Amino acid sequence: EAQVTQNPRYLITVTGKKLTVTCSQNMNHEYMSWYRQDPGLGLRQIYYSMNVEVTDKGDVPEGYKVSRKEKRNFPLILESPSPNQTSLYFCASRGIRTRSFSTDTQYFGPGTRLTVL
Amino acid sequence: GQQVMQIPQYQHVQEGEDFTTYCNSSTTLSNIQWYKQRPGGHPVFLIQLVKSGEVKKQKRLTFQFGEAKKNSSLHITATQTTDVGTYFCVTGTASKLTFGTGTRLQVTL
Repeated sequence: EAQVTQNPRYLITVTGKKLTVTCSQNMNHEYMSWYRQDPGLGLRQIYYSMNVEVTDKGDVPEGYKVSRKEKRNFPLILESPSPNQTSLYFCASRGIRTRSFSTDTQYFGPGTRLTVL
Repeated sequence: GQQVMQIPQYQHVQEGEDFTTYCNSSTTLSNIQWYKQRPGGHPVFLIQLVKSGEVKKQKRLTFQFGEAKKNSSLHITATQTTDVGTYFCVTGTASKLTFGTGTRLQVTL
């Protein structure tokens, strides 16, 4: 089954304690992206990656890091989480010039609800 | 970057009533996508519009892209409780997507 997985789904942590949210897709997609969703603000892009070792900032990159060492994985790293990073996080992927999937369809993971105390 | 305003923010309808959400931009859009997010769920792609004046239908859902490519609408005919959720319009490029703030639809019997 084609899917994007995220782990953990729920996380409560404390300020300053480094954490990583993993994201993995099994569709061989080149493009992957991280969003955060906050009430009244919709989804805002944090970082994206067009392919392995190619990453770039989205609209709200401050306080986050990413890496893309393998095509299927795109972890989101919070080196020193703060309470304003409490949010719902989504990972997404999209193919480019694939035969089986629309190049326009972005597939989202189930989300990770993060609370930073 | 491109910004899209979406209205209304919230709408509550009785089952069987119609519903429309609007997406507006001050700049010309190359494309517009629509996503639906059920309560507690993740956004799911519905459709993409690319051409000026384009109209696409999916069962009870009708999507339109304005002639000037600055606005778009999603119309649901005879809503059902399964239509509950937040509808987002999305625009952008191959690398960067910008989401509208969404319209939350509540449907009651």
